[in-house]
Amino acid sequence: ETGVTQSPTHLIKTRGQQVTLRCSSQSGHNTVSWYQQALGQGPQFIFQYYREEENGRGNFPPRFSGLQFPNYSSELNVNALELDDSALYLCASSLAWGQTEAFFGQGTRLTVV
Amino acid sequence: DAKTTQPTSMDCAEGRAANLPCNHSTISGNEYVYWYRQIHSQGPQYIIHGLKNNETNEMASLIITEDRKSSTLILPHATLRDTAVYYCIVRDRSNSGYALNFGKGTSLLVTP
Repeated sequence: ETGVTQSPTHLIKTRGQQVTLRCSSQSGHNTVSWYQQALGQGPQFIFQYYREEENGRGNFPPRFSGLQFPNYSSELNVNALELDDSALYLCASSLAWGQTEAFFGQGTRLTVV
Repeated sequence: DAKTTQPTSMDCAEGRAANLPCNHSTISGNEYVYWYRQIHSQGPQYIIHGLKNNETNEMASLIITEDRKSSTLILPHATLRDTAVYYCIVRDRSNSGYALNFGKGTSLLVTP
């Protein structure tokens, strides 16, 4: 079975721009979550998608949005980028909603200049 | 979800057992204890979880005290590849979704 894959691995954007990060979940997993990890900190929960619907959200502003597609892959979109958005963005997939054993991708390192 | 407290860092000699403690004194009856680790530049990796009984798998053992206010993750024979940040997370599986509340974790350094 394939694992969770994220693209791109690294990205540099300018303040004010928009960015889209992509995630392919592990085969058969219908739940995807996104996390932001600032340098030296633990990952922070952004939101979760189950069967193409957002069903949980952390303390992040609306300029952080997402999508989940019928094949359960997902996108994270961030508008009006700020310098503090520079972080490692992690995607995690799970076999079913409510199951907490999550499988993480390697992440996308976003730098905002 | 209950808050956890872990030491900031620990050292362990290669081949020895690594015992990583976690305090979760406000844990409630429905909350499980989960452990994940994050090796540098990689995504977090699930290790083990438990409710009240001790658990063991191919990676580690989890010892939960009888009052469930603390637990210990044991890596029986630590190797250099076990150097990572270890996160103890307490989670109510009946809540919606599976948002994992990572703290800062324990940075484990395994030395030759």
